[in-house]
Amino acid sequence: SAVISQKPSRDICQRGTSLTIQCQVDSQVTMMFWYRQQPGQSLTLIATANQGSEATYESGFVIDKFPISRPNLTFSTLTVSNMSPEDSSIYLCSVKTGGDYGYTFGSGTRLTVV
Amino acid sequence: GDSVTQMEGPVTLSEEAFLTINCTYTATGYPSLFWYVQYPGEGLQLLLKATKADDKGSNKGFEATYRKETTSFHLEKGSVQVSDSAVYFCALSEDDYKLSFGAGTTVTVRA
Repeated sequence: SAVISQKPSRDICQRGTSLTIQCQVDSQVTMMFWYRQQPGQSLTLIATANQGSEATYESGFVIDKFPISRPNLTFSTLTVSNMSPEDSSIYLCSVKTGGDYGYTFGSGTRLTVV
Repeated sequence: GDSVTQMEGPVTLSEEAFLTINCTYTATGYPSLFWYVQYPGEGLQLLLKATKADDKGSNKGFEATYRKETTSFHLEKGSVQVSDSAVYFCALSEDDYKLSFGAGTTVTVRA
């Protein structure tokens, strides 16, 4: 299965600032997915990042708040903009892997906004 | 739209006990079904999957059978260990595109 390197692993940020999370995959993939896991909650899909086109956002998520870049087939970034304490969550990237591996997830970025 | 309903926790068991976590789904087509596990302090890992009706996924002593007639994918393990303590997520993918997750079930196994 694919190996995903996600960073930073955690950060504590001031409200009103922005944080960019990076996701590097060891193989080329068409689609990369960004999820949010709020404290004690399940995972919610934020958006799907396709190389060479605009990201597709799920209901409740907007590009101004969560801009995404996908410059090539192995890399993507998610920025959490103008942060507030409600943005404190774990953010994960994911790719769909062929064969029996399903979807592979990065180790996540634990964000705390103070 | 697609949705997954998962047995709420937390669940606390003694070692060697039998574990069942119920999962039912709603989908318009024929989704693939997954169980993911999140061990303390670690990322999400695929535990097992099934892609069509009556398929049984299995891994690490865990099993789940895709039951189309009851739209269920219950996770079972016959004898749990302390190392099975984790959060378990049921998920589906209908269009082979994105995952929809259940709420997660926290399982604690006591020695």
